[in-house]
Amino acid sequence: DVKVTQSSRYLVKRTGEKVFLECVQDMDHENMFWYRQDPGLGLRLIYFSYDVKMKEKGDIPEGYSVSREKKERFSLILESASTNQTSMYLCASTTESGNTGELFFGEGSRLTVL
Amino acid sequence: GESVGLHLPTLSVQEGDNSIINCAYSNSASDYFIWYKQESGKGPQFIIDIRSNMDKRQGQRVTVLLNKTVKHLSLQIAATQPGDSAVYFCAENPPHQFYFGTGTSLTVIP
Repeated sequence: DVKVTQSSRYLVKRTGEKVFLECVQDMDHENMFWYRQDPGLGLRLIYFSYDVKMKEKGDIPEGYSVSREKKERFSLILESASTNQTSMYLCASTTESGNTGELFFGEGSRLTVL
Repeated sequence: GESVGLHLPTLSVQEGDNSIINCAYSNSASDYFIWYKQESGKGPQFIIDIRSNMDKRQGQRVTVLLNKTVKHLSLQIAATQPGDSAVYFCAENPPHQFYFGTGTSLTVIP
């Protein structure tokens, strides 16, 4: 069974802390994505990666960075967490070339920044 | 940016009735569309997809209709069950990108 695993389901951090959100997929997918999901706003793309060590900014990259050192792992980093980064974070992956294919999601990481 | 919208934010249906959830998309280059179901506290789950060379696709109790002329997508759930209660959202997939609707919350009344 295909799987996208997000290491932390729930996190509580303080303003200014550095936060790492880890995502691992076991499907040998080239393409990985980080979204945040907020009520009434839907999913908004933060960063994505088409290959190892490759990253591209999405629609809302400010305050975030990413790391793709291995094909199966895509990490989202909040260098200095702020309260407006309280959200549900979703990792996803797909393998289809040109991205015309099913996007597989993890279970989400709910981050609260106090 | 792209706009993918849903006509209704909430929908309540009686158990056993059919449900119809609608979605409008804006990118004519989109050639792939997906419907996802998201239960509370969980990640989105794939329900059904359709490519732009099709008008209709059926799954188990679900049907997706695509009207490219008016850029409209709908999800029909037959004989809705309590386990169908969730947020449903559509996604459009032009090359190299996905765009998502904000979701419709479906509540099934026993």
